[in-house]
Amino acid sequence: GQQVMQIPQYQHVQEGEDFTTYCNSSTTLSNIQWYKQRPGGHPVFLIQLVKSGEVKKQKRLTFQFGEAKKNSSLHITATQTTDVGTYFCAGQVGNQFYFGTGTSLTVIP
Amino acid sequence: DAGVTQSPTHLIKTRGQQVTLRCSPKSGHDTVSWYQQALGQGPQFIFQYYEEEERQRGNFPDRFSGHQFPNYSSELNVNALLLGDSALYLCASRGTLDSPLHFGNGTRLTVT
Repeated sequence: GQQVMQIPQYQHVQEGEDFTTYCNSSTTLSNIQWYKQRPGGHPVFLIQLVKSGEVKKQKRLTFQFGEAKKNSSLHITATQTTDVGTYFCAGQVGNQFYFGTGTSLTVIP
Repeated sequence: DAGVTQSPTHLIKTRGQQVTLRCSPKSGHDTVSWYQQALGQGPQFIFQYYEEEERQRGNFPDRFSGHQFPNYSSELNVNALLLGDSALYLCASRGTLDSPLHFGNGTRLTVT
């Protein structure tokens, strides 16, 4: 069945270091969305990528969608303690979203 | 403009019991999806409702059922609860099929 994998599962960084999480799907996606979930909270939408090879930036966050629309990445430059949380990708196939396993980010001050 | 609201926030049930969780979508949204999120895992799709009908279903047994009302609110019912049903149950709504999911705060279900 459809699977969306994310790596790494956990990442600890010093404040100011960069962070990247990678998302891979077993099938082609119509679009991919990224969500952030703070500890004890619910997923909050960050961004949606639709086009093959698309790159979008939000301040220190850079999102990429692969050429084959099967993989994606989120890169955070110069992490801050406010970046702490779990980052999920969610790939859309048909009318259904398949969430990745998530990457839990810890930022050490 | 209220976001997605879920009730109750926490629930403790015993194995074999039945539970009903409730969700009101964000204003203007007509599509509601339910997700199960086990500790340390990503949300797993249970099903999606649109126009009061179940439109899509994930890999969950028939013990999981739902309903959508004319005002777009929704219920998730789980029968014959198992210990493994303990999880955070998230409701998400959206306005169109391509738009982002707006999640509620979830219901934390514990089955003992």
